[in-house]
Amino acid sequence: NAGVTQTPKFQVLKTGQSMTLQCAQDMNHNSMYWYRQDPGMGLRLIYYSASEGTTDKGEVPNGYNVSRLNKREFSLRLESAAPSQTSVYFCASSIDIGYTFGSGTRLTVV
Amino acid sequence: GDSVTQMEGPVTLSEEAFLTINCTYTATGYPSLFWYVQYPGEGLQLLLKATKADDKGSNKGFEATYRKETTSFHLEKGSVQVSDSAVYFCALRGSTLGRLYFGRGTQLTVWP
Repeated sequence: NAGVTQTPKFQVLKTGQSMTLQCAQDMNHNSMYWYRQDPGMGLRLIYYSASEGTTDKGEVPNGYNVSRLNKREFSLRLESAAPSQTSVYFCASSIDIGYTFGSGTRLTVV
Repeated sequence: GDSVTQMEGPVTLSEEAFLTINCTYTATGYPSLFWYVQYPGEGLQLLLKATKADDKGSNKGFEATYRKETTSFHLEKGSVQVSDSAVYFCALRGSTLGRLYFGRGTQLTVWP
């Protein structure tokens, strides 16, 4: 089925560990986004990529890096995880005003 | 900058009650407005949208009208069902490369 696929769905990390969240879309969308969702905070933009080869910071980029590997894939990396990065992470892609969200990655940092 | 202010929850209603969730926005230019719904354990799904002033978005019995004069996009449903229990997010598509700005979300619980 067409859509946005995120892996993994769940992850537990120890403080200081690193990991990469993967996101891929098969809808030929140009723009891709990473959001985090925290209780009472809505969704906040971490990074976005308007097109292949470009990335820009969103509201809360500190502690994260991203790679737009190709048009399909947009990964989010935590180099040294902190408990404050415990959250649910959503990847999304868009063309014009049509957005599609992945099902999320629930990350816990202990 | 662009932003969305959404009625805080939680909202608890009995089945067949009338629902309103308030949403106001601040934006430059002419944004597009959205309501997204998130069911437990799932991602966000588009519920409805409106792209210009006075447009009414509607889906599954939900409606919202883009009111430029009051900068509002309130979500309404005449008769809620238990299956409507979810978190609802108001969102605005800003002028900066099409990114979405979200409200904080409103948890709706409907009791039978």
